[in-house]
Amino acid sequence: SQTIHQWPATLVQPVGSPLSLECTVEGTSNPNLYWYRQAAGRGLQLLFYSVGIGQISSEVPQNLSASRPQDRQFILSSKKLLLSDSGFYLCAWSNPGGGENTIYFGEGSWLTVV
Amino acid sequence: GNSVTQMEGPVTLSEEAFLTINCTYTATGYPSLFWYVQYPGEGLQLLLKATKADDKGSNKGFEATYRKETTSFHLEKGSVQVSDSAVYFCALSAAGGDDKIIFGKGTRLHILP
Repeated sequence: SQTIHQWPATLVQPVGSPLSLECTVEGTSNPNLYWYRQAAGRGLQLLFYSVGIGQISSEVPQNLSASRPQDRQFILSSKKLLLSDSGFYLCAWSNPGGGENTIYFGEGSWLTVV
Repeated sequence: GNSVTQMEGPVTLSEEAFLTINCTYTATGYPSLFWYVQYPGEGLQLLLKATKADDKGSNKGFEATYRKETTSFHLEKGSVQVSDSAVYFCALSAAGGDDKIIFGKGTRLHILP
């Protein structure tokens, strides 16, 4: 069966510090991968999605970046965090091809920038 | 472009009340439609889905019917429980080409004992 895991689950970072959130998927090949952010009191915002190694699409301008060094690994990074980067970050995957494919989420990572 | 609009919350109901959370969508072609649930402090879980017009998705007593004529996918439950308190997200997956999943803003549901 397929599993998705992201870490760390919780972190508190000072303004201006770097960020690295990691996500891995097991039990499937060539998945579509996603990073979403859920700010307090707001809905889900798609940040990045990837259809293959090295292929990243950015949905919103920001100081975050994403990378996909391996087929089932997706990393969210920042060189210098802002207060507005605080939120709940969710990694997700789906089978390629769109249409009826369901998207599956990781456990989420709580980021507080202080 | 594709979009999902769902009723704003919070929605507060008493236990055993009837629940409806409205969701409408805009999309070209025939998207698949989903409801996800997020319990406090957790990630999102798939609740139910429907992949074509007139399909009814159901799970844990929740139901939603894919209505193409009204471009809607309203979530219903006949008798809610305190444990149903969560945030509910409506979502669509566009048919063909673009693999992005589009979510509504979520509706927070509070069930009072």
